[in-house]
Amino acid sequence: GAVVSQHPSWVICKSGTSVKIECRSLDFQATTMFWYRQFPKQSLMLMATSNEGSKATYEQGVEKDKFLINHASLTLSTLTVTSAHPEDSSFYICSARHDELGTYEQYFGPGTRLTVT
Amino acid sequence: AQSVTQLGSHVSVSEGALVLLRCNYSSSVPPYLFWYVQYPNQGLQLLLKYTTGATLVKGINGFEAEFKKSETSFHLTKPSAHMSDAAEYFCAVSDRGTGGFKTIFGAGTRLFVKA
Repeated sequence: GAVVSQHPSWVICKSGTSVKIECRSLDFQATTMFWYRQFPKQSLMLMATSNEGSKATYEQGVEKDKFLINHASLTLSTLTVTSAHPEDSSFYICSARHDELGTYEQYFGPGTRLTVT
Repeated sequence: AQSVTQLGSHVSVSEGALVLLRCNYSSSVPPYLFWYVQYPNQGLQLLLKYTTGATLVKGINGFEAEFKKSETSFHLTKPSAHMSDAAEYFCAVSDRGTGGFKTIFGAGTRLFVKA
């Protein structure tokens, strides 16, 4: 149980276009989802916290107009990278928290590798 | 705000030797602590976690970690390294801060295992 999926697993797009990444909790309802980005050989950096039905909370330094997050349901959150540029190329990882378990553990998706050319 | 420090960006051990990956944290409230492993181009896999109760926690693949509040540490150990343990390891802390629980990761430690 507690599986999180991401789609797509990898995507290549041209500079200036927008890309949407989906994060789904497959077998549980996730009140809260998180989006991280990871540059090569670096750690995960928290970008934003997404709560179902409300606006996402962005970490300092993350452009909310560039990284649009929507948490439309208890099983789906999306991250849209708008007007992508090569510096946005990264590994994006989402996670979902299974609040009903009370452990506040986050379950991570397999990640999406974005390459902007 | 919570933070995590992993000492040593790279650790190299011989196969069969003890693995010790160090992690220190700071948190204003009792934290939840985690160790994750990441293989190249893959997501994170939870090795073990501490939430409450017994301070020595055992995880998958023979790993264990001990929560030491007085030292604010949560070091990861494995008695005998295997070649398949070569990967990136992340220590993480989660506590209730502004905006609720969220997990912050350390910089990571790459483990190399020599034959």
